[in-house]
Amino acid sequence: DTAVSQTPKYLVTQMGNDKSIKCEQNLGHDTMYWYKQDSKKFLKIMFSYNNKELIINETVPNRFSPKSPDKAHLNLHINSLELGDSAVYFCASSPAGGRQPYEQYFGPGTRLTVT
Amino acid sequence: AQTVTQSQPEMSVQEAETVTLSCTYDTSENNYYLFWYKQPPSRQMILVIRQEAYKQQNATENRFSVNFQKAAKSFSLKISDSQLGDTAMYFCAFRRVDDKIIFGKGTRLHILP
Repeated sequence: DTAVSQTPKYLVTQMGNDKSIKCEQNLGHDTMYWYKQDSKKFLKIMFSYNNKELIINETVPNRFSPKSPDKAHLNLHINSLELGDSAVYFCASSPAGGRQPYEQYFGPGTRLTVT
Repeated sequence: AQTVTQSQPEMSVQEAETVTLSCTYDTSENNYYLFWYKQPPSRQMILVIRQEAYKQQNATENRFSVNFQKAAKSFSLKISDSQLGDTAMYFCAFRRVDDKIIFGKGTRLHILP
């Protein structure tokens, strides 16, 4: 069974469109994350949710809005897509509060290409 | 602010050799966790090894081991008997007590046949 899944894996869209990426984890973890990996492979956290509550909100444009309907899901909605949004977006999950295992489990990534 | 520095953007070694990837970090915290992740061309992020800062013993996972020097804030990864399948980007990461993980910029490792 897939632990952290993301859909879609590839997304090609035009500037100005609105798109969503879905993430689900079946590990029973409390905390979920969104990361952006740019063309230079730099991985930067965007958001984290703990049990549906927003915990980390890095300096991300307001066009990006995470939504967590329950603790197993964390979706990322992006409005008015721009060329600079092209990247690979990773979802991840982990137990919270210093509980083992301490590492994050990553989804397969969604490659977003804005044309 | 915490930072994670990987000073080697790219490395190449022959198959079966041993290679060490360096990582240093900066933090004022005393309890934290360190990780090495591997990202092969498939782009999947795979945990290689982890280290709890309160443990003095260096972590080991088969051919992978770390040299954790807490006072020096150094966390290097040693890969023994390297294999072609070890070719990947390797990221050093630091997990803060608020669960935020900070990644280094990565080291691209090529294992040559």
